[in-house]
Amino acid sequence: GQQVMQIPQYQHVQEGEDFTTYCNSSTTLSNIQWYKQRPGGHPVFLIQLVKSGEVKKQKRLTFQFGEAKKNSSLHITATQTTDVGTYFCAGRGSGTYKYIFGTGTRLKVLA
Amino acid sequence: NAGVTQTPKFQVLKTGQSMTLQCAQDMNHNSMYWYRQDPGMGLRLIYYSASEGTTDKGEVPNGYNVSRLNKREFSLRLESAAPSQTSVYFCASSEPPNRGRETQYFGPGTRLLVL
Repeated sequence: GQQVMQIPQYQHVQEGEDFTTYCNSSTTLSNIQWYKQRPGGHPVFLIQLVKSGEVKKQKRLTFQFGEAKKNSSLHITATQTTDVGTYFCAGRGSGTYKYIFGTGTRLKVLA
Repeated sequence: NAGVTQTPKFQVLKTGQSMTLQCAQDMNHNSMYWYRQDPGMGLRLIYYSASEGTTDKGEVPNGYNVSRLNKREFSLRLESAAPSQTSVYFCASSEPPNRGRETQYFGPGTRLLVL
């Protein structure tokens, strides 16, 4: 079945440093979504990528979808303490309603 | 506009007891989902409902049943709870795929402890 791996599992950075998390699927995806979950909270949608090679930016966040539509990345420039949380990718194959979530990357930002 | 609501927020069960987790959404979404989240495991799909009247299994359906009562409500039932079902349960809703609005909106979660 479809599997989605995400690395790293944890990342501690100093405030102001950059951060990247990577997501890899065992199968080609129709689209990929990214979510952020604060400690004790619920996942909150960040963005959806659909096209091969797509790049989208949201302020300090840059999202990429690989050419083969099997991998994706989230890059945060100049992290802030408000970026703390766990970032999940979620991929959907074609012809299905199911989203498979990655295991998440927990980001800790040290002030 | 409450979004996605879940009840209860917390529950403690003894092994073998049954319970139903309730979920409701007021966004007129067709699709609804139940996930469980265990430490270090991310979210795993238990069941989903593409539209009213339909349900389908996700990655980890064993030990659970669901009911799509109407367009708003999607309940998850544990018939005989086991300690392995200790987890945080999230309900989510969205528009169906290919409508360009697949954002999943999550409820606040139900924290379940099975002793």
